[in-house]
Amino acid sequence: DAKTTQPNSMESNEEEPVHLPCNHSTISGTDYIHWYRQLPSQGPEYVIHGLTSNVNNRMASLAIAEDRKSSTLILHRATLRDAAVYYCILRDGRGGANSKLTFGKGITLSVRP
Amino acid sequence: GAVVSQHPSRVICKSGTSVKIECRSLDFQATTMFWYRQFPKQSLMLMATSNEGSKATYEQGVEKDKFLINHASLTLSTLTVTSAHPEDSSFYICSANGGGSRTNEKLFFGSGTQLSVL
Repeated sequence: DAKTTQPNSMESNEEEPVHLPCNHSTISGTDYIHWYRQLPSQGPEYVIHGLTSNVNNRMASLAIAEDRKSSTLILHRATLRDAAVYYCILRDGRGGANSKLTFGKGITLSVRP
Repeated sequence: GAVVSQHPSRVICKSGTSVKIECRSLDFQATTMFWYRQFPKQSLMLMATSNEGSKATYEQGVEKDKFLINHASLTLSTLTVTSAHPEDSSFYICSANGGGSRTNEKLFFGSGTQLSVL
């Protein structure tokens, strides 16, 4: 499985934008970039995913580098409820529904009031 | 939106007993479900891939006879921890592909089951 590298942790201030980086230098052409987040004692929650183009949804934006070797999850206005572990994961596009999500350590985001 | 329901949320059992955890896709059909476990302060570890109507595929190092997976319908997969021991105490989480067979689908996760074996 192609791997991703994320910083261990990041702090942000409430109501300010947050940029969470992810490196995936060995990404293959068929890998989708997925982001999930997990609050304590809960299952992960889908945030966003993309292949080549930048993506926006109501939760966040995903900026994908032109060479696809890195990406950035952008939370436009952090709230206290955004404090969580964020996982950047590559999912092989060739596997269909059986394609696994292999979780790394993720980045722990803390939000200061 | 699509929801995955996992039950029970918490279970405490005696060593040597078996525990069944259910994972249901509530408003979509899930041909594939995944089972993870997570120890405190650690990331999720994939245990197995469950396919409706066929045998589950287990990750290396996961004992298939200990962690029995049944995916008898398109909306239900179960994980049974047989002869549980204290080292099986963990947070178990299921997930399902969001209503399609393509990889370009998000996964939906259950809320997890905290298993404590005394």
